[in-house]
Amino acid sequence: TQLLEQSPQFLSIQEGENLTVYCNSSSVFSSLQWYRQEPGEGPVLLVTVVTGGEVKKLKRLTFQFGDARKDSSLHITAAQPGDTGLYLCAGEISNNNDMRFGAGTRLTVKP
Amino acid sequence: KAGVTQTPRYLIKTRGQQVTLSCSPISGHRSVSWYQQTPGQGLQFLFEYFSETQRNKGNFPGRFSGRQFSNSRSEMNVSTLELGDSALYLCASRFEGVGYEQYFGPGTRLTVT
Repeated sequence: TQLLEQSPQFLSIQEGENLTVYCNSSSVFSSLQWYRQEPGEGPVLLVTVVTGGEVKKLKRLTFQFGDARKDSSLHITAAQPGDTGLYLCAGEISNNNDMRFGAGTRLTVKP
Repeated sequence: KAGVTQTPRYLIKTRGQQVTLSCSPISGHRSVSWYQQTPGQGLQFLFEYFSETQRNKGNFPGRFSGRQFSNSRSEMNVSTLELGDSALYLCASRFEGVGYEQYFGPGTRLTVT
């Protein structure tokens, strides 16, 4: 069982559609990160959220950290083919210097 | 600043052999972590090194080991390779601070035949 559950596992949408990816856990995290990974490459850090209830926006991407710091969501507006990739959430276990990853959401945006 | 580099990028080994992978972190980063990524298990944490000391360890057998040098460069060793060790091995470095922001290298694709 994964400490961080991501949903959906797979998502295939048309260019221009909106989508939300979820990352849930029963554990509390000191911080949570979102990464995007393309085939054959390492994950690239998109954002770090630290404060419960925090919302961060990066162009068409909106990240939210739950009030209790147990969950997070990533919302993409007007998806583009370049958004295609594996989206991973990762949580830092409180005061443990331990990082755990979710299984990822594989997003495909069709032109 | 140069990113995290890993060598080699691709490696083919035979079952029973051993392998050493190398990682050079971003300049100024003293923490280096190693992960194994497979389609079935996703990203699994192997271990973290900080200032030449192993600070944290995942749930992997003793065949997986690592070390860190005084310049923060790190190596990971896998002995007595098994077919199931075939994976993408990722190294990540970070600068100690608020938020566990890791920067990953491109990975080493290990295939065990």
